[in-house]
Amino acid sequence: KAGVTQTPRYLIKTRGQQVTLSCSPISGHRSVSWYQQTPGQGLQFLFEYFSETQRNKGNFPGRFSGRQFSNSRSEMNVSTLELGDSALYLCASRKTTSGRAPIHNEQFFGPGTRLTVL
Amino acid sequence: AQSVTQLGSHVSVSEGALVLLRCNYSSSVPPYLFWYVQYPNQGLQLLLKYTTGATLVKGINGFEAEFKKSETSFHLTKPSAHMSDAAEYFCASYSTSSGTYKYIFGTGTRLKVLA
Repeated sequence: KAGVTQTPRYLIKTRGQQVTLSCSPISGHRSVSWYQQTPGQGLQFLFEYFSETQRNKGNFPGRFSGRQFSNSRSEMNVSTLELGDSALYLCASRKTTSGRAPIHNEQFFGPGTRLTVL
Repeated sequence: AQSVTQLGSHVSVSEGALVLLRCNYSSSVPPYLFWYVQYPNQGLQLLLKYTTGATLVKGINGFEAEFKKSETSFHLTKPSAHMSDAAEYFCASYSTSSGTYKYIFGTGTRLKVLA
């Protein structure tokens, strides 16, 4: 069974540009979450998508956005890049149902996209 | 509000020595708890998880953790460290706040294994 894949693995951009990162979840997984990892802030939750709808959102500015497609693949977009956006962006997928019940499901992480903003 | 605290951002142990990485959680309801490991330039890999039932949880690579509700702790241990254990370890909780379940990660502990 293929794991979570993220593309590209490495990306270099300059301030002011925008970037789109892609995540393909494990087959059968309908939930995709995005995290930003930096040495100073650790692992911070960006947002989670399920069935093409954003379910949860972290405390990030509106420059960070995402979407999910009908095949559960997800993209994350960052507009007007700032130097502080340099980070490892991790995607995680999990099986989940409607989410109304307190269901636990294990998250599986992709290898991440290393974004460097110059 | 739920939170996860990992005591010690860096821990060094000698090869063959006991590994102990500390994690304390704060949650208004009993959470599900996880330990993940991250090797350089890789994503997070699940080591073990506690949901319900037995409070001593065994994971991969010889790691185990014990859920202690009275101490709100979920410390990770391994009897004998190996060089390949050098990595960053994250404790995480999955719990609810106002009806919404969320994952909260600790800030991580970087384990160094000395030859």
